[in-house]
Amino acid sequence: NAGVTQTPKFQVLKTGQSMTLQCAQDMNHEYMSWYRQDPGMGLRLIHYSVGAGITDQGEVPNGYNVSRSTTEDFPLRLLSAAPSQTSVYFCASSTRRSSSAFFGQGTRLTVV
Amino acid sequence: GIQVEQSPPDLILQEGANSTLRCNFSDSVNNLQWFHQNPWGQLINLFYIPSGTKQNGRLSATTVATERYSLLYISSSQTTDSGVYFCAVVETGGSYIPTFGRGTSLIVHP
Repeated sequence: NAGVTQTPKFQVLKTGQSMTLQCAQDMNHEYMSWYRQDPGMGLRLIHYSVGAGITDQGEVPNGYNVSRSTTEDFPLRLLSAAPSQTSVYFCASSTRRSSSAFFGQGTRLTVV
Repeated sequence: GIQVEQSPPDLILQEGANSTLRCNFSDSVNNLQWFHQNPWGQLINLFYIPSGTKQNGRLSATTVATERYSLLYISSSQTTDSGVYFCAVVETGGSYIPTFGRGTSLIVHP
């Protein structure tokens, strides 16, 4: 049982480039979410999804897009990377039954 | 939205000491979790504790939901306890997505 899998683990982008961070879970969880972690700020919610086809914005959504075409996958897209998006990104999944969240191992993104 | 405050923000201990970390939240919750982020950045789920008390080895946690706080106790601390401890809550009637505090950074010296 893999849990929550994020790829890649590390990425360096140039300003203006685009990329997609992948997140997949194999626990059949209905809820999935993306957070970014910056020093001293804790984890801040970017976007979340309560089921396939349903997404919503979190606290810091600007510059990011998401979609949820299947229960398992929840990719995060950066359309035009900016240095302010340098951060560590975590994907999480949970289920309404327990609400206990499970996290991927994170993606460390640097935008130069 | 719900506010989550953790204290203290930083804590430095000698190996063998005990400590208490606190998490205050501003509204009713139906879930509360404590996480440990190790020096490699991995988030480890310590407790799922919306109310009551749980213990796991040298760690224990208590949540008093009616008074909107939770405590994480670390006894006989070890250097491997170093890292950042996060409290995350799910607001009652909200989106079922956790909201995090800013964490407590713990350093345990040998």
